[in-house]
Amino acid sequence: AQSVTQLGSHVSVSEGALVLLRCNYSSSVPPYLFWYVQYPNQGLQLLLKYTTGATLVKGINGFEAEFKKSETSFHLTKPSAHMSDAAEYFCAVKRPTASKLTFGTGTRLQVTL
Amino acid sequence: EAGVAQSPRYKIIEKRQSVAFWCNPISGHATLYWYQQILGQGPKLLIQFQNNGVVDDSQLPKDRFSAERLKGVDSTLKIQPAKLEDSAVYLCASRLRGEQFFGPGTRLTVL
Repeated sequence: AQSVTQLGSHVSVSEGALVLLRCNYSSSVPPYLFWYVQYPNQGLQLLLKYTTGATLVKGINGFEAEFKKSETSFHLTKPSAHMSDAAEYFCAVKRPTASKLTFGTGTRLQVTL
Repeated sequence: EAGVAQSPRYKIIEKRQSVAFWCNPISGHATLYWYQQILGQGPKLLIQFQNNGVVDDSQLPKDRFSAERLKGVDSTLKIQPAKLEDSAVYLCASRLRGEQFFGPGTRLTVL
């Protein structure tokens, strides 16, 4: 079975500061990992994903994440936060041979001036 | 390319009433999902369709929830009768080449 733990239900950063959203996973097989963003009253949008190969994955809007097998982590980062980054972020995991996604509980990112 | 469409966007009902949600996936996407997202939680898969067949409905409360995907395109999710704990956002997603595309969701409030 797969599971995802997102540490911190709310994160607040100043505009221009580093964004770090934490995600740890549990999986009995090598996982595929995803980050989604959800803006208010909208559906989820894929930010980036890790399947195989390079462990540092770059996504849209300047976000990136690094797969660290030894730490079972897939933390999301962005060097400089923008006001438009304020949203809810979800980490998700799935088995390579399956299509079912298991989501974490989400982290709400607040960006202040 | 049009995205996943869902209607209605908002619905308020009283407990024990019935409600139905509609989803139109992206054209050509054979796989369709319904998720339930309770406030403060991540989306939870309710049911997965491949064309018009059910692949996984293990987490669908079948005593009150039902879903169908006639002709392998549009899908409806029904709740009958609704309970207070069914208040949530119901998300529909369709999949192509490994990526799921989500609709805007239907926010259900059960009073």
